[in-house]
Amino acid sequence: DTGVSQDPRHKITKRGQNVTFRCDPISEHNRLYWYRQTLGQGPEFLTYFQNEAQLEKSRLLSDRFSAERPKGSFSTLEIQRTEQGDSAMYLCASSFPPPGQGASGYTFGSGTRLTVV
Amino acid sequence: GQQVMQIPQYQHVQEGEDFTTYCNSSTTLSNIQWYKQRPGGHPVFLIQLVKSGEVKKQKRLTFQFGEAKKNSSLHITATQTTDVGTYFCAGPNTGTASKLTFGTGTRLQVTL
Repeated sequence: DTGVSQDPRHKITKRGQNVTFRCDPISEHNRLYWYRQTLGQGPEFLTYFQNEAQLEKSRLLSDRFSAERPKGSFSTLEIQRTEQGDSAMYLCASSFPPPGQGASGYTFGSGTRLTVV
Repeated sequence: GQQVMQIPQYQHVQEGEDFTTYCNSSTTLSNIQWYKQRPGGHPVFLIQLVKSGEVKKQKRLTFQFGEAKKNSSLHITATQTTDVGTYFCAGPNTGTASKLTFGTGTRLQVTL
């Protein structure tokens, strides 16, 4: 594969409905991240995985948000009981930092744009 | 928590003019990364700087990491319309080396 894939590209949902997004990272990348971006703002961290382990979740994230990465491959982000304030671009990224390095550049997917009406 | 601010928020230049965006972190960073996001697109990784005072060049782009490792800059020489987009700096969170905190971004508009 040549990049990070996200599905769907766009999602319109009614307030109160549940939505699930999928991310397929670059296969060699062991780290996977979810970020949220609203218009005119920088990406805001939601959660990240190293392999299948979810290592951190933003304290800003309500209990309506949950993410999984079974078998350390693809990941899903679910939002339950959506609210209008959840409308945003949800970005997935992956990385593979070299041994001994804490960080390396992220490869982002094209994102899923969520609109809650 | 860690904050990463960028100035200016927006800049409009004529093609051929130079452009600089500045990034300031509230905490010392182990490294700084720069990303470019075209209108309607997603962030694309440009470069990572690790050493204090480091300067790296990519064609017309020059990146600098401050001596105190709390600030950075991106300078574009002789802008082109293809440089249009928002430039974000990002630094690892002090508690988690892997997680990045993104700056507020600088939107660059270039006209002929």
